[in-house]
This record gives sequence, C-alpha cells and structure tokens, in this order.
Amino acid sequence: LAKTTQPISMDSYEGQEVNITCSHNNIATNDYITWYQQFPSQGPRFIIQGYKTKVTNEVASLFIPADRKSSTLSLPRVSLSDTAVYYCLVGAFSGGYQKVTFGTGTKLQVIP
Amino acid sequence: NAGVTQTPKFRILKIGQSMTLQCTQDMNHNYMYWYRQDPGMGLKLIYYSVGAGITDKGEVPNGYNVSRSTTEDFPLRLELAAPSQTSVYFCASSRDGSTDTQYFGPGTRLTVL
Repeated sequence: LAKTTQPISMDSYEGQEVNITCSHNNIATNDYITWYQQFPSQGPRFIIQGYKTKVTNEVASLFIPADRKSSTLSLPRVSLSDTAVYYCLVGAFSGGYQKVTFGTGTKLQVIP
Repeated sequence: NAGVTQTPKFRILKIGQSMTLQCTQDMNHNYMYWYRQDPGMGLKLIYYSVGAGITDKGEVPNGYNVSRSTTEDFPLRLELAAPSQTSVYFCASSRDGSTDTQYFGPGTRLTVL
C-alpha cells in the first residue's frame, strides 16, 4: 500500500484559497488519489478523485504532477463551514478489494 | 434513499458484555466496510465484505465478528467487550471495490467501562 503523508493541521482565514498537499512517494501505476472530508461527529464524505493532471468539481480541485508522487487539494475561498479534517487516500483494485488506508488527515481550521 | 444507516448512535457497555452494531444500506452496493476511529486518529478498517456471504479481515479484526447474509445488512458483533474497543464505529458501502466512492453512515459511539 502506498503510504501518504499530510500536514497534521492548517489554519486559514475565510475567503482565502487553501491548498493541502499529500505526499505518496511509492504510488503504484494503478493507484488513484482520493480525498475525503470529515466533520466532527460525522462519517467521512467524498470530495474528489483523480489519477493524473487536474480534476475539478463544484467543491474543489485536485492537482497531480506528472510523477504522481504528490497531490494537492485546493479549496477555493474557504468559509467557516469548511473547517474539517481532510484525508488523502491512495489505493487501487487488488485481490477483489480497494485497498486504501485512512491516515490521520489534515485538520483545517478556518478563522473568521 | 436513506443511504447508510447505523444503530444505535450511542452505547455504553460493561467489560465482558457483547453487542451487535447494525448497519444497513439501501443503495444496492456490493461492498460494505466497518471502520473504527479512535479520538484524534484516522479510520482503521476492521472487516469488509465484497458481497452477500463473503467477508474478510481488515487491519484490526481482533475482538470482532461480522456476517453478510443480505446485500443490505452488515452487522458487526463485539464479543467480550474491552476498554480498548471504546471508539466510534463507522459503516460504509461502495458500489464496487475498485476506486468507487465510499458512503459512510453517521457512526456509533461506543464506550466500554
């Protein structure tokens, strides 16, 4: 399994763009990169997924460089409601199961 | 669709007691998962199932058992509860096990005293 490394915590002011980088040096060819968001007392929620280059949806963008050894989740103009823990997962289909591991995540605190 | 539902929301057990955490999904997903999350930590996979009648161990299966008799239900059984099992338990499901999105339930907060 590809191990991921993220900052433990980040602070940002409301209205700013936030970039959270995840390192996954031993990512395999078949691995996708997925980000989840978790609010206190709730289960994680899917944000975005990508394989290479850039992916954008209504919530976030995901930037993946050519070597795929890292990825950056970009949250545009954050608000207080974006305060949450963000998990970077790397995994692929293997032996009938998507082998992914949730690390400790990045705790984002948005400040008024 | 209700998505993934879990019962109970909270439970306090005494050491040595047993209980079953219920999980149901109405999305006709093949894959279901049980995770535990200790305070300030990430999620750890306990057991997973790739379909009715098929289950397998995750990272931390000791002290737990599962069964999957139907597509919808995936109960988690705790036998002889121990304080180390105090945690929040999340059930999740996904359409398949490749790279598909996992949908999580609201969680069950369990305390073992």
